[in-house]
Amino acid sequence: GAVVSQHPSRVICKSGTSVKIECRSLDFQATTMFWYRQFPKQSLMLMATSNEGSKATYEQGVEKDKFLINHASLTLSTLTVTSAHPEDSSFYICSAAQGTEAFFGQGTRLTVV
Amino acid sequence: SQKIEQNSEALNIQEGKTATLTCNYTNYSPAYLQWYRQDPGRGPVFLLLIRENEKEKRKERLKVTFDTTLKQSLFHITASQPADSATYLCALESKGNNDMRFGAGTRLTVKP
Repeated sequence: GAVVSQHPSRVICKSGTSVKIECRSLDFQATTMFWYRQFPKQSLMLMATSNEGSKATYEQGVEKDKFLINHASLTLSTLTVTSAHPEDSSFYICSAAQGTEAFFGQGTRLTVV
Repeated sequence: SQKIEQNSEALNIQEGKTATLTCNYTNYSPAYLQWYRQDPGRGPVFLLLIRENEKEKRKERLKVTFDTTLKQSLFHITASQPADSATYLCALESKGNNDMRFGAGTRLTVKP
């Protein structure tokens, strides 16, 4: 199946700094990618839909100025957590669809200290 | 409001038995429903997709049923093995939408 690569897999940052997470579709082009957040023992919550060449669509309650999404090419979307706080600590996962099947990245464990 | 509910947070079964997981949804018109497996600290991995006009889908030891009247999908793993232990997530994609919504997942443990 198709491969989606997410980087980094783990990151620890200081409160107030920004962190960038990359999501790449390695062997297919993805006009749309999705960003999810997952808390322990909870489901994946869709944060935003990233559209190549246009602005991302954010879910209700997700601050677009805090979670900056850039989808500059058909194979790369980035999520930047700006001015991170400890409550932003979570598992972030991206996905890209090829046809009806979605492929997920490995996830990024963000810890803000 | 829209809901996707998976019947139990955790399910423990003995090796060799059939595991049955349930996914119920409310206020969705799904184009199709998918099941994923997620291991700790990893992203979900696609298992099976079933469309709204399909009743049943099989893949090796996996079987999925889809009842749009009951608004329910059942996911079966036959002849379960300890390696099947993981969290299983159901996900819906609604008609006219291209984003997926997930249930909370059921953590399956298969004991030898």
